[in-house]
Amino acid sequence: GQNIDQPTEMTATEGAIVQINCTYQTSGFNGLFWYQQHAGEAPTFLSYNVLDGLEEKGRFSSFLSRSKGYSYLLLKELQMKDSASYLCAVRDSNYQLIWGAGTKLIIKP
Amino acid sequence: IAGITQAPTSQILAAGRRMTLRCTQDMRHNAMYWYRQDLGLGLRLIHYSNTAGTTGKGEVPDGYSVSRANTDDFPLTLASAVPSQTSVYFCASSEAGDAAPYGYTFGSGTRLTVV
Repeated sequence: GQNIDQPTEMTATEGAIVQINCTYQTSGFNGLFWYQQHAGEAPTFLSYNVLDGLEEKGRFSSFLSRSKGYSYLLLKELQMKDSASYLCAVRDSNYQLIWGAGTKLIIKP
Repeated sequence: IAGITQAPTSQILAAGRRMTLRCTQDMRHNAMYWYRQDLGLGLRLIHYSNTAGTTGKGEVPDGYSVSRANTDDFPLTLASAVPSQTSVYFCASSEAGDAAPYGYTFGSGTRLTVV
């Protein structure tokens, strides 16, 4: 079966750095996505990785290792508004997105 | 306003009733999707459409049907609602069904409670 694993919940301090991990086992791989979802709102696109390595976009970076079936989302200089759920999704060989259950990130002052 | 519009925002529905959730996009995206999101579970694909006139079944299609008469509209119908269909429903779209690197654009969701 296809599986995406993420931690259920993480807590971090305002101004700090946090890394949210995602491991996946899917039938084929055609890219990995990270989305942010604030409570009661729709998911919004954060990043896309299809090749190994680090993609940096402002305070957010995403890393991919296809051989290890592993990705992480790195958030720097955390702000209170970063409190949200972060969803990892992998596009499989049929180009369908398989979603993780999401990681709820709690930021404390 | 560019994006996806879903209606209604929320609904309480009696079991056994029929209901259609509406979804309209103005981005001229070819591909559209319906997901349900339940606490502790990832987004689960109900149905999808790669282009107008075609539809496909996702991971959890039972009890739901869709149509794609044109590019902009992708309604989801519950023929006879059951309590297990209580969920938040998201409609999404993307530029292409395959290699789009830009991800999906989501509507704001419909919170459905079946009692």
